[in-house]
Amino acid sequence: EAGVAQSPRYKIIEKRQSVAFWCNPISGHATLYWYQQILGQGPKLLIQFQNNGVVDDSQLPKDRFSAERLKGVDSTLKIQPAKLEDSAVYLCASSLGLAGGPSTDTQYFGPGTRLTVL
Amino acid sequence: GESVGLHLPTLSVQEGDNSIINCAYSNSASDYFIWYKQESGKGPQFIIDIRSNMDKRQGQRVTVLLNKTVKHLSLQIAATQPGDSAVYFCAGGYAGNNRKLIWGLGTSLAVNP
Repeated sequence: EAGVAQSPRYKIIEKRQSVAFWCNPISGHATLYWYQQILGQGPKLLIQFQNNGVVDDSQLPKDRFSAERLKGVDSTLKIQPAKLEDSAVYLCASSLGLAGGPSTDTQYFGPGTRLTVL
Repeated sequence: GESVGLHLPTLSVQEGDNSIINCAYSNSASDYFIWYKQESGKGPQFIIDIRSNMDKRQGQRVTVLLNKTVKHLSLQIAATQPGDSAVYFCAGGYAGNNRKLIWGLGTSLAVNP
């Protein structure tokens, strides 16, 4: 079974520039998550999709971050404009997310995109 | 606020010894806990999970123990190997929270040959 795919793996940009990350979840997974992981810390949830709808974006800095999952499969996360403090690894994860399923289900992670903002 | 945290930021063990990584949580409503392993440059990898109606669950070389009385769980790794060197995260979740996980800070496990 193919895992969660992310691209690019690495990105270096200057502050105030824009950047976009792409994620393709495991086939059949309804729930998709974007996390930000700063070095030495645990992942911080930015946004959670159930199919093509947003379930939770309470920690997404909406003045500069946006995400979409238009067809309920792959997703993009954009930062515009980037700040120095956005330097982090951006992780995408997916889970089955079955309706009526357990309160939580296992999230499977991609390799992440390491963003460096200069 | 709610939190899931780890007692020690780093743990160093000898190859072949058993490792124990601890985790405490604050939300008594948490009904699901999961351990992830993260190697350098990779995303977190699922190790094992446990639901609150259990107090122990075993996998291959790993055991998770849950003590709901003191809101504590631990991950035990038997016969630790160099390939076990990584950062280990515990995370917890509960019904009605949109399946969102609350993550701890992580414990770095170093295995000495």
